[in-house]
Amino acid sequence: AQKVTQAQTEISVVEKEDVTLDCVYETRDTTYYLFWYKQPPSGELVFLIRRNSFDEQNEISGRYSWNFQKSTSSFNFTITASQVVDSAVYFCALSGYSNQFYFGTGTSLTVIP
Amino acid sequence: EAGVVQSPRYKIIEKKQPVAFWCNPISGHNTLYWYRQNLGQGPELLIRYENEEAVDDSQLPKDRFSAERLKGVDSTLKIQPAELGDSAVYLCASSLLTSGRRGTQYFGPGTRLTVL
Repeated sequence: AQKVTQAQTEISVVEKEDVTLDCVYETRDTTYYLFWYKQPPSGELVFLIRRNSFDEQNEISGRYSWNFQKSTSSFNFTITASQVVDSAVYFCALSGYSNQFYFGTGTSLTVIP
Repeated sequence: EAGVVQSPRYKIIEKKQPVAFWCNPISGHNTLYWYRQNLGQGPELLIRYENEEAVDDSQLPKDRFSAERLKGVDSTLKIQPAELGDSAVYLCASSLLTSGRRGTQYFGPGTRLTVL
């Protein structure tokens, strides 16, 4: 079975604080991909990152960083020095052999000025 | 490069009426997806096309929903007749799927459907 769990439904932080969004996945596939998408109030899902199961190297892109740990089946997303524009719903997704995407239920992030 | 285009952005109809949504994927993308997103939930796949072929429509309620992707480019999703429970955002996504490699899905802005 394929499943993505985002246990944090809503998070509020004050601007400039760091925040980590958790993502835990389940899959029996040995090859799979993990994704993070951002959905601002406008509604469009914006692609942020893709990581394959053979690459556990953490990645940093500006204020964004991702921590992939196969041992704990987690793919967590950290925003450093958060800004109001980061307010959105963030989705973690998993894609295995079937190429079907399985999305988590999302974490709604509110950054308070 | 133009992204995924969807129309209309918003649609309000009365129950039992038909409705159609249109999607134009990113140029060159061979795979197209239709998702439904209910409030507070993640997107759920309705149907996936590889070129003209619907390769996964297991979650499509076929009694009232239909879809087509003529010529392997644009796609239309139709609901007839619409029910109150169909109120949701309908998202279209596309990706370039090559042999052995899974493509990243890029999403359109969605169509917000309200059924009264």
